[in-house]
Amino acid sequence: AQTVTQSQPEMSVQEAETVTLSCTYDTSESDYYLFWYKQPPSRQMILVIRQEAYKQQNATENRFSVNFQKAAKSFSLKISDSQLGDAAMYFCAYSERSQGNLIFGKGTKLSVKP
Amino acid sequence: DGGITQSPKYLFRKEGQNVTLSCEQNLNHDAMYWYRQDPGQGLRLIYYSQIVNDFQKGDIAEGYSVSREKKESFPLTVTSAQKNPTAFYLCASSQQRSSYEQYFGPGTRLTVT
Repeated sequence: AQTVTQSQPEMSVQEAETVTLSCTYDTSESDYYLFWYKQPPSRQMILVIRQEAYKQQNATENRFSVNFQKAAKSFSLKISDSQLGDAAMYFCAYSERSQGNLIFGKGTKLSVKP
Repeated sequence: DGGITQSPKYLFRKEGQNVTLSCEQNLNHDAMYWYRQDPGQGLRLIYYSQIVNDFQKGDIAEGYSVSREKKESFPLTVTSAQKNPTAFYLCASSQQRSSYEQYFGPGTRLTVT
């Protein structure tokens, strides 16, 4: 069965600094997607960034970028120029292209210090 | 505005009662999903539906039931058989089951005492 592991329950970053959140996953499939979702205190799940496994190029969305290491099954999220509004729970998630069901890690709580 | 609505935001029930959580979407999506979130946990899949009148169990379906009579609606019933029903419930939808992006509703916090 596929699993997603986030080894950092909590992280902290100074405003305007850069922080990296870690995620590893386990799968025997070759065609899948990886996601980072943000859950602020409102508890609304917001898609931050997605990566398709067949693409070698790392995905980037403004201040958010990923480091996708397929062989190592690693998918980290880098947040640059951190802002107070980035404070939230961040979840790493996996889904197979043919399945659609998301498998989530347990999350990392990110605090941003002014 | 297109989106997913879940109502109510907070729900309280006595133990032994069934309760139904609402989920409606106007995105014209085929696939819909129900997830449960507990403190310190990621989301876990309860049920999903690919098309109207069809649905499948997810990882933690015991004590729950669903229906999909209309494309836009996917209500979840938490039955008295669910041993630990107090949780945060999130509904999501995607264009197709194989679509890579799921859109989430705002969630319902269910408390059973």
